[in-house]
Amino acid sequence: DAGVIQSPRHEVTEMGQEVTLRCKPISGHNSLFWYRQTMMRGLELLIYFNNNVPIDDSGMPEDRFSAKMPNASFSTLKIQPSEPRDSAVYFCASSSQLLISSYNEQFFGPGTRLTVL
Amino acid sequence: QQQVKQSPQSLIVQKGGISIINCAYENTAFDYFPWYQQFPGKGPALLIAIRPDVSEKKEGRFTISFNKSAKQFSLHIMDSQPGDSATYFCAASIGVYKLSFGAGTTVTVRA
Repeated sequence: DAGVIQSPRHEVTEMGQEVTLRCKPISGHNSLFWYRQTMMRGLELLIYFNNNVPIDDSGMPEDRFSAKMPNASFSTLKIQPSEPRDSAVYFCASSSQLLISSYNEQFFGPGTRLTVL
Repeated sequence: QQQVKQSPQSLIVQKGGISIINCAYENTAFDYFPWYQQFPGKGPALLIAIRPDVSEKKEGRFTISFNKSAKQFSLHIMDSQPGDSATYFCAASIGVYKLSFGAGTTVTVRA
């Protein structure tokens, strides 16, 4: 199994530019998560999809952030326009949650390190 | 504000020693307490997890101790090895998905 795949691994952009981060979850997993990791705030959940539907986006910091999951094998996190304070490592994770009461492991991708100049 | 407080921020231990990381929480509705291990340049990976109906769980050299009344839980790494050098995160969640992570502890094991 290839695990969760994220691209790009590194992104350097200038303030005001649009940034799109991509994620391919593990095949067969029906839940997908986007996290942001910074030194100041640690690991934060941004948004959670279940069966391609956004369930909880309360962690999305502001309207400049948007996420989509057009199908079970692909998701994007977009920042438009980007700002220097968006610099962080963004992780995608997936899990298989067949039962609402199950505690299934979240498998994290390698992350995308975003630097906004 | 972080819902899970983790300490220490970092620790150094000699090979063969014991590493202990502590976490505390306030929300008594949390019902799942995992620990994640993260190596530089990698994503976090689940190490071990516990539910509040159990006071201790052991997997190899890693043990979680859980004190429900004190709202605290800890990770013990026995016989620490250089390969255990990583950042460890405790977390807690209500239900299946919304993990709240601690700030992380960087563990360095000296050979």
